Amino acid sequence: DAGVIQSPRHEVTEMGQEVTLRCKPISGHDYLFWYRQTMMRGLELLIYFNNNVPIDDSGMPEDRFSAKMPNASFSTLKIQPSEPRDSAVYFCASSPLLVGTGRHYGYTFGSGTRLTVV
Amino acid sequence: TQLLEQSPQFLSIQEGENLTVYCNSSSVFSSLQWYRQEPGEGPVLLVTVVTGGEVKKLKRLTFQFGDARKDSSLHITAAQPGDTGLYLCAGQTGTASKLTFGTGTRLQVTL
Repeated sequence: DAGVIQSPRHEVTEMGQEVTLRCKPISGHDYLFWYRQTMMRGLELLIYFNNNVPIDDSGMPEDRFSAKMPNASFSTLKIQPSEPRDSAVYFCASSPLLVGTGRHYGYTFGSGTRLTVV
Repeated sequence: TQLLEQSPQFLSIQEGENLTVYCNSSSVFSSLQWYRQEPGEGPVLLVTVVTGGEVKKLKRLTFQFGDARKDSSLHITAAQPGDTGLYLCAGQTGTASKLTFGTGTRLQVTL
């Protein structure tokens, strides 16, 4: 498996523009997570999906952020309009379903998208 | 909100030295994981500990889960430049699928 694939790796955009980040999870993983990482705030969970259904979006900063998962192999995170304070590295991660005792098998992260809004 | 505090925040040491990184919380976790993140990449899972008092070894790295499952430590013996990176602990509450990540420890090992 090629792992979790994110695109683009780098994105530079002007304030007010729409930005779309893309993620392809590992085949067979039932959970998909979107995180944002900054030096000041560390890794923050934005939203996660189970079997393509959004479960918890309480970490989405505001209405400018939206995420979709139209099928098991693709998810997008959209920011519209973008602002300089959205500059960060955005990670997608996937995880298999918890079974049995509910033990967590850990996340597999993508390489991230470094977003710069100027 | 569960908080996972890591200490120290930054650590710069020379090759061959030993070090310990701590991960502390007031919450009880059903399992705890450690990740290492290198520049320009996503975090990579190193280990999962699930039982209070559990100790796991991964070559020169030793991981311990506290008896009360509220804290954990990572000890590196004879650090090497390849150990350089950001170390993150992450806790699972109950059978939740999402993890709470710690504040991170940035380690630099120089020759």
